[in-house]
Formats: sequence, structure tokens, C-alpha cells
Amino acid sequence: ETGVTQTPRHLVMGMTNKKSLKCEQHLGHNAMYWYKQSAKKPLELMFVYNFKEQTENNSVPSRFSPECPNSSHLFLHLHTLQPEDSALYLCASSQANLPGLAADEQYFGPGTRLTVT
Amino acid sequence: QQQVKQSPQSLIVQKGGISIINCAYENTAFDYFPWYQQFPGKGPALLIAIRPDVSEKKEGRFTISFNKSAKQFSLHIMDSQPGDSATYFCAASGYQLIWGAGTKLIIKP
Repeated sequence: ETGVTQTPRHLVMGMTNKKSLKCEQHLGHNAMYWYKQSAKKPLELMFVYNFKEQTENNSVPSRFSPECPNSSHLFLHLHTLQPEDSALYLCASSQANLPGLAADEQYFGPGTRLTVT
Repeated sequence: QQQVKQSPQSLIVQKGGISIINCAYENTAFDYFPWYQQFPGKGPALLIAIRPDVSEKKEGRFTISFNKSAKQFSLHIMDSQPGDSATYFCAASGYQLIWGAGTKLIIKP
């Protein structure tokens, strides 16, 4: 596997379900991100991890819970979601993402298309 | 002040024509301006990027024009091809990327 991989690619879940999205990067990067992509809207940054530590949480509802066990893996745990949470969830990675450092290219996975029924 | 405004929302161009997508920002502290290209079923991928010390950057058929005083930058795709049909996102950054809403580009053969 190369680049950034995400599983599953598609997920349909009921509002009472619990599920998890998985992301793995094979690029040796130290920063990983979760984004939400909705049609005709800017990408919404949800969480950022640097060296396994969460450095950004953009006021994301607690029904989304990230986990970063190491620099290569990132999870997004989902529970009691709402229909408006249906979207494409993208994972990305970069060398690092810290104040004072110049922004770096982000490498994206193909996303998980989530539908909440 | 953290917004990046992108236009148009969608664009149809004939094969061989020039595609132009525009973005405007407000935060003068931004110092990195990338463009990402996204094909259906894929995540965005970096296409070309510019820093504000230059007014233009060209890579093949793709050119970024940057106007620091107007706080605007644009992507020009010369000799547009059907394979360029995709969604294009501009972004601006200090260290955190602020994204535009995207432009869906269709190149008609």
C-alpha cells in the first residue's frame, strides 16, 4: 500500500449505531488530519494530530471521537450521528503542522462516504 | 477574516480553451496559496502552489497568478483538456489551510 488509505470506502449507519473510520498513511509523516467534505462547501477541518498529540479540534461535536495510536494510524469513532453528518470524510497527512512552521503539502486518502439514516 | 472566497462555483470550457478560477482572501498573514485538484472518488491532490514573494508560477499548462495588493489569486489552465475535468480547490494558509468552496470544471470535447 502506498500513500494514504481509508477504510471503509462507503458506510451506511443508523443514528443509534457506533462505527469507526480508519486511516493509515505510508509516507512517514508526523501530522494527520480529519476533514469533512460536503457538496459546494469548503473542506471543514475537524481534527489535527501532530506526533500523535491532538493539536486542533475545530469545535467538533462529541459524537465524533478521534484516536491516534501512532503517527501512521488515525481513527474516527462515530456514535449517535445525525442525518446532517452524512458527508465524505477525508483523512490527510503531512510532514508536520505546527505554529511557526510553514504550511506543507497535505496528502489525502480517497475518503469514506458516510450516510446516516 | 479567515475565509477564502472562490468563484465560479462551476465552469464549462471548450477543449483547447483557457479555464480561469479565482480566489480572494482577507488575512494578510497568509503566506502559502495552494491549488488542489479532486477527481470523483479520490481525495484532493496538490496541483500547484505559490508563496507571496512571486506574482506568477507556471507548471506546464497550469499557472497561478498572485496579486498581493488585491489579496487575490487565480488558476489558469491553458489548452484545457477533457482530462482536466475535476473539482478545483484553492486554499490559503499561515500554518493551517483555509479552503475555498471548490469549482467544478467541465471541459467539453
